[in-house]
Amino acid sequence: DIVMTQTPLSSPVTLGQPASISCRSSQSLAHSDGNTYLSWLQQRPGQPPRLLIYKISNRYSGVPDRFSGSGAGTDFTLKISRVEAEDVGVYYCMQATQFPLTFGPGTKVDIK
Amino acid sequence: EVQLVESGGGLVQPGGSLRLSCAASGFTFSSYAMNWVRQAPGKGLEWVSAISGSGFSTYYADSVKGRFTISRDNSKNTLYLQMDGLRAEDTAVFYCAKDAGYSSGWYNPDAFDIWGQGTMVTVSS
Repeated sequence: DIVMTQTPLSSPVTLGQPASISCRSSQSLAHSDGNTYLSWLQQRPGQPPRLLIYKISNRYSGVPDRFSGSGAGTDFTLKISRVEAEDVGVYYCMQATQFPLTFGPGTKVDIK
Repeated sequence: EVQLVESGGGLVQPGGSLRLSCAASGFTFSSYAMNWVRQAPGKGLEWVSAISGSGFSTYYADSVKGRFTISRDNSKNTLYLQMDGLRAEDTAVFYCAKDAGYSSGWYNPDAFDIWGQGTMVTVSS
């Protein structure tokens, strides 16, 4: 199984300041079809997860452009350019390159 | 509006059974693979099972293989998860999630673009 790790696990941030979350996989997520199936999800308190980013860097419909994704192979990053109050929640990376599909442990983002 | 609505959760004794349903609307259900993902109280997300758009292919996490069965009825736009031999460690909110990519007989996962609100399953005596 591909193990996903995230750092940090907790990230207190100041409103208006940037935030960054790292996600690492135990093996390359590059698929034989040329895509890399790494996505980022946001889970606000009491809510189901919501897709933010797919295939490393593609913002899903309706996601604000302050969210961006980057990376390749085994190392990936989610960045929030300027944190807003509505960004509070837990962020998960997820790999869909190989079964079983696996998630990172989650990074809790809250306001200082 | 694209929507997924789960139902069927509840309290069940260890060793018991439960069937979850996920009603889909707002998209061509048969064209997309579907997944079940669970979240134990206060914990992270765990993928449970997947099924291709036609229902031809199914996939399971090792933790549920042989106990859970995923299925779908494309005429009713509904996804199911039959859970047998339930254990305390199966206690979780169960979400159904739609894959973003087109799927027919096989399923090449992409990303989960639509999620339901979840249904709680509690396994306890």
